[in-house]
Amino acid sequence: DAKTTQPNSMESNEEEPVHLPCNHSTISGTDYIHWYRQLPSQGPEYVIHGLTSNVNNRMASLAIAEDRKSSTLILHRATLRDAAVYYCILRVGTGNTPLVFGKGTRLSVIA
Amino acid sequence: GAVVSQHPSWVICKSGTSVKIECRSLDFQATTMFWYRQFPKQSLMLMATSNEGSKATYEQGVEKDKFLINHASLTLSTLTVTSAHPEDSSFYICSARSDSVGELFFGEGSRLTVL
Repeated sequence: DAKTTQPNSMESNEEEPVHLPCNHSTISGTDYIHWYRQLPSQGPEYVIHGLTSNVNNRMASLAIAEDRKSSTLILHRATLRDAAVYYCILRVGTGNTPLVFGKGTRLSVIA
Repeated sequence: GAVVSQHPSWVICKSGTSVKIECRSLDFQATTMFWYRQFPKQSLMLMATSNEGSKATYEQGVEKDKFLINHASLTLSTLTVTSAHPEDSSFYICSARSDSVGELFFGEGSRLTVL
């Protein structure tokens, strides 16, 4: 599986935007960029995914670099409930393959 | 949204006993499910791939005789930790792949504590 690199931790103030970076310089043409997050003592939760174009949903936005070697998850207004570990994962389409988790970024939100 | 349910949410058992954890896809069929283990402050580690009607495929280093996986229907996979020891204490998480849309959905996790 293509590897991703994320900062170990980040901190944000409540109600401010948060930009979570992810590097994936060895991404292949068939890899989708997935973001999941895990709140304490819970299973991972889907956030967003994309292939080439930027994506928006009710939870977040995903900005993908033109060369696809990096991406950024954007939380527009961080809340205390957004404090979690965020994982950036590459996966080939929706095939029969599992998600392989790296270490992720632990996001702390300060009130 | 699609829901995956795990049961029990937490379990405490004595060393040497066996514990079964269930993973159910509540509103979709899942031919394939995945089992993960997560130790404190660490990431999820893939243990095995479970396919309905066939033997599970285990990741390197995971003992198949210790972690028995059964996927008898399109909505249920079970993980049995046999002869559990304290080092098996962990957070076990399943993921089910929707047959119709191909996306993966996760259960809430099951915390096992072996005394």
